[in-house]
Formats: sequence, C-alpha cells, structure tokens
Amino acid sequence: AQTVTQSQPEMSVQEAETVTLSCTYDTSENNYYLFWYKQPPSRQMILVIRQEAYKQQNATENRFSVNFQKAAKSFSLKISDSQLGDTAMYFCAFMKLLPGFTSGTYKYIFGTGTRLKVLA
Amino acid sequence: EPEVTQTPSHQVTQMGQEVILRCVPISNHLYFYWYRQILGQKVEFLVSFYNNEISEKSEIFDDQFSVERPDGSNFTLKIRSTKLEDSAMYFCASRSFGTVGEQYFGPGTRLTVT
Repeated sequence: AQTVTQSQPEMSVQEAETVTLSCTYDTSENNYYLFWYKQPPSRQMILVIRQEAYKQQNATENRFSVNFQKAAKSFSLKISDSQLGDTAMYFCAFMKLLPGFTSGTYKYIFGTGTRLKVLA
Repeated sequence: EPEVTQTPSHQVTQMGQEVILRCVPISNHLYFYWYRQILGQKVEFLVSFYNNEISEKSEIFDDQFSVERPDGSNFTLKIRSTKLEDSAMYFCASRSFGTVGEQYFGPGTRLTVT
C-alpha cells in the first residue's frame, strides 16, 4: 500500500522569502502522479502543481516548483517570493497510474498536510 | 470557471440519524469521489464512482454509507445511521474523462454528529 508522509506539521515564512515543504512517499509502483494541493481557510482544495513520475524534469508553475527525487521517493514543494495569500494548508498527494486509460479509480492518497503561515 | 459545489456547508445531526450530503460535480466530468477529513487528520479516500457504479471503496466505506447519482447532475453520499466518529469534513471531487490525474474539489460539508 502507498503512504505519503509530510513531516512538517507547521511552517512559517516571511513575505517575499522562499520556503520548502517536504513530502516523502512509499510505493512499489513505477507509474504514478504526485500533486501538491493548497487548502486555504475557505477550505476548498486547489491544485498547485503536479508531477508525472516518468518525467525527469521538475514541474514548475510560476512561483511554485518541485524537487522530485524518484529514487529517494521525495517530492518537495518550493514557494518563491512568498505572499500573504499563500497562507494555507498544503497537502501532498499520490496517485497510482493504472494501465488502461479509462479504467481504474485514480484515487488520491494524501499526506497529513503542512500548515504554512506567511508573515507580513 | 466551472466549480464543484456542495450542500449544505454545515450539517448537524444526532447520532443514529440519516444524512445525505449533496454534490454537484463539474458538468462534463465522469469520475466522482468522496473524501473525508476528520479534524486535524489527513484527507482520506472513501469511494469513487464511474459509469453509475462504485469503482472502488475504502474500508471506511461500510454498509452505513452509500452513494448515488440520481439525476445525472447531483452526486450524493448517504450515511444511514450516523455515529459520533462520522463527524468530519466531507469533500466531493470530480475528474473529467480525458485527463489523468487532476481532481477538482468542492468546498466540503462539515458534518457534526452529536
């Protein structure tokens, strides 16, 4: 069974600084996706970034980037130039990629989350 | 931009009562999910639904739970006889046919069982 671990329950960062949230996972699968979701105080989870395991290049989305280390099963999120609006709970999620495009559940397995507070 | 919506936002019920949590997925999505988040804990998968049937369910999803897509737009989660430990935030999510991966989440329903 897959597991996802986020070892930092809470973090804080000064506005405009850079912060890195860690995520490790355990799987015997070779094909999977990894995601970072943001859950602001309004509580709707929003996709921040995703990474396909078969891609060696780290995904980036504006100020958000990941450091994906497949051999180490590590998937950290870096937020550059932190903004007050980045204050939220951040969840790392794993999704196994099943053979057959239309078959399968593609359920997410989430980590316990990291509460990030950006300080003015 | 299309969104997943959920009603009610907060439901308070007494132990043993039945509750129905409602979700309206994004209209062209075909895969639907319910997740649960007990306060302070991680988000857990409950069930997935595709082509009018459950495609996978977790061990949490016992006989007290059921899902339904009654009219082609709503997707409901029913808890037949609520327990105190069912108190949690329940999230609905949906995914389109053509994409692999990204699920769109609703804002959640907070269920409080007293």
